[in-house]
Amino acid sequence: EAQVTQNPRYLITVTGKKLTVTCSQNMNHEYMSWYRQDPGLGLRQIYYSMNVEVTDKGDVPEGYKVSRKEKRNFPLILESPSPNQTSLYFCASRTGGGTEAFFGQGTRLTVV
Amino acid sequence: AQSVTQLDSQVPVFEEAPVELRCNYSSSVSVYLFWYVQYPNQGLQLLLKYLSGSTLVKGINGFEAEFNKSQTSFHLRKPSVHISDTAEYFCAVRFPYSGGGADGLTFGKGTHLIIQP
Repeated sequence: EAQVTQNPRYLITVTGKKLTVTCSQNMNHEYMSWYRQDPGLGLRQIYYSMNVEVTDKGDVPEGYKVSRKEKRNFPLILESPSPNQTSLYFCASRTGGGTEAFFGQGTRLTVV
Repeated sequence: AQSVTQLDSQVPVFEEAPVELRCNYSSSVSVYLFWYVQYPNQGLQLLLKYLSGSTLVKGINGFEAEFNKSQTSFHLRKPSVHISDTAEYFCAVRFPYSGGGADGLTFGKGTHLIIQP
């Protein structure tokens, strides 16, 4: 089954404790992105990647890092999480020539 | 810069009534247009998309949308809603592939569709 898998689905952590949210897709898609969803703000792009070892900032990249060492994986790293990063995070992927983005199930992160 | 405006944050509708969720966008160039649905505690699922061609686009679950270039709108409609349609609906735009630069979707803030029995 074609899918985008995020882990964990839920995470509660403390301020300053480094964490990684994993994202993996099995569709051989070139493009992968991370979004955060906040009430009343919709979804905003954090980072995106157009292929292995090619990443770039989206609209709200501050406080986040990403890497793309393999085509299927695109982890999101919060080196020193803060409470304002409490949010619902989505990973998405699509083909280079295609247009539809496929989304993971989401990761609900709470930073206390 | 492109932007997306969903005019209603919440739309209550009685079951079996028709519904229209409004979406307007601003862009100086042609864009691709999408509607996504988010059911409670789930990810986003594509309802329909407009790339080019016919301005009336049909999607899944009985939804359709009409692209209006002169009004820069892409409103979503369903002639008869069901309780199961209760969800958050997002309109989004994206530039056609340009070979580089920002390549993400720009989303509206969402419309919560509430179906009343």
